Amino acid sequence: GEDVEQSLFLSVREGDSSVINCTYTDSSSTYLYWYKQEPGAGLQLLTYIFSNMDMKQDQRLTVLLNKKDKHLSLRIADTQTGDSAIYFCAEKGTGGYQKVTFGTGTKLQVIP
Amino acid sequence: NAGVTQTPKFQVLKTGQSMTLQCAQDMNHEYMSWYRQDPGMGLRLIHYSVGAGITDQGEVPNGYNVSRSTTEDFPLRLLSAAPSQTSVYFCASSYSGHNNSPLHFGNGTRLTVT
Repeated sequence: GEDVEQSLFLSVREGDSSVINCTYTDSSSTYLYWYKQEPGAGLQLLTYIFSNMDMKQDQRLTVLLNKKDKHLSLRIADTQTGDSAIYFCAEKGTGGYQKVTFGTGTKLQVIP
Repeated sequence: NAGVTQTPKFQVLKTGQSMTLQCAQDMNHEYMSWYRQDPGMGLRLIHYSVGAGITDQGEVPNGYNVSRSTTEDFPLRLLSAAPSQTSVYFCASSYSGHNNSPLHFGNGTRLTVT
């Protein structure tokens, strides 16, 4: 089946850029998403990219997609302590109704 | 807007007990789903529904039942709780008519089975 992989932890200093990486296996992915989960809360959609795009920018967030290598990244510029959270990569393929496969999540720790 | 509402927020069960986790959404979403979140394993799909009266199994359905009698509600039933079902459970919903409709999540139910 489809698989989405992420590293478990990332630590950065406040003001630096953070880059969270994700790889996936489903070559028929249509949309790829980044969700943010703060402690004790559900997942909130941060941004998404359509599979025919290479890049998407939204304020401090930049998403890069390398479809050939099935690699997705999320860059957060000027990382703030409020960005500390778990970030989930997810992909929607064509195999099944609205089927969305999530990665394991990357816990981002921002050091003041 | 309330969005997706889950109750209860926390629950402790003894092995063998049954209970129902409630999920309601007020966005008129056709699609609803249940995930469980475990450390190092991300979110795994338990059951989903594409509309009232229609349900289907996800990746890890064993030990859970669902029903969808209305568009708004999608309860998850644990028939005989086991320690392996200790987890955080999330309900999520979306429109089904738009391919890019993202999932909207509730705040989760933290379940401990002793």
